[in-house]
Amino acid sequence: NAGVTQTPKFQVLKTGQSMTLQCAQDMNHNSMYWYRQDPGMGLRLIYYSASEGTTDKGEVPNGYNVSRLNKREFSLRLESAAPSQTSVYFCASSERGQETQYFGPGTRLLVL
Amino acid sequence: QKEVEQNSGPLSVPEGAIASLNCTYSDRVSQSFFWYRQYSGKSPELIMSIYSNGDKEDGRFTAQLNKASQYVSLLIRDSQPSDSATYLCAGPEVGNNRKLIWGLGTSLAVNP
Repeated sequence: NAGVTQTPKFQVLKTGQSMTLQCAQDMNHNSMYWYRQDPGMGLRLIYYSASEGTTDKGEVPNGYNVSRLNKREFSLRLESAAPSQTSVYFCASSERGQETQYFGPGTRLLVL
Repeated sequence: QKEVEQNSGPLSVPEGAIASLNCTYSDRVSQSFFWYRQYSGKSPELIMSIYSNGDKEDGRFTAQLNKASQYVSLLIRDSQPSDSATYLCAGPEVGNNRKLIWGLGTSLAVNP
């Protein structure tokens, strides 16, 4: 099992460009999450999907959109990137009703 | 008060010593907890979970939960240089166990 995979590993964008971060899990988990991690700010939840077909805002959703494509895949889109979105983005998944979350390797995003 | 508070450190211990990492939490956090370890440049990985009052041991790691004091700790016995990392404490949000509330993490350095 690969667990949680994320693509790309690293990306450089110019202000105003758009991009989609991809996440997939092969653990048959129902819930999936997108976090960003910044120095001194810890892990902050952007969006989550409790189950296929549902998505909910987290702590810092502004500037992002998500799609739960199917049970395996959960993507994060930046429509118009801003330097404030420079961060490390982690995708995670968990079973229904289980709080333990398993993380992907992360995507390092630099917005110039 | 932050929902989950951790001393940011750095905590420095000599090799072979016991490292003690602490976390306090507010009433917004449900009373089960997770300790994650994050190496620099890597994603968080689960070390231990604890759901009930008292101690839980797994190898060199012991988690302690005191619900009355709203306090959870992680002890690492016989600390090794490979234990040098940031340790994150997290607990589910009351009323929504799919959302974890995270501490900012404690940086641990184990010196040979």
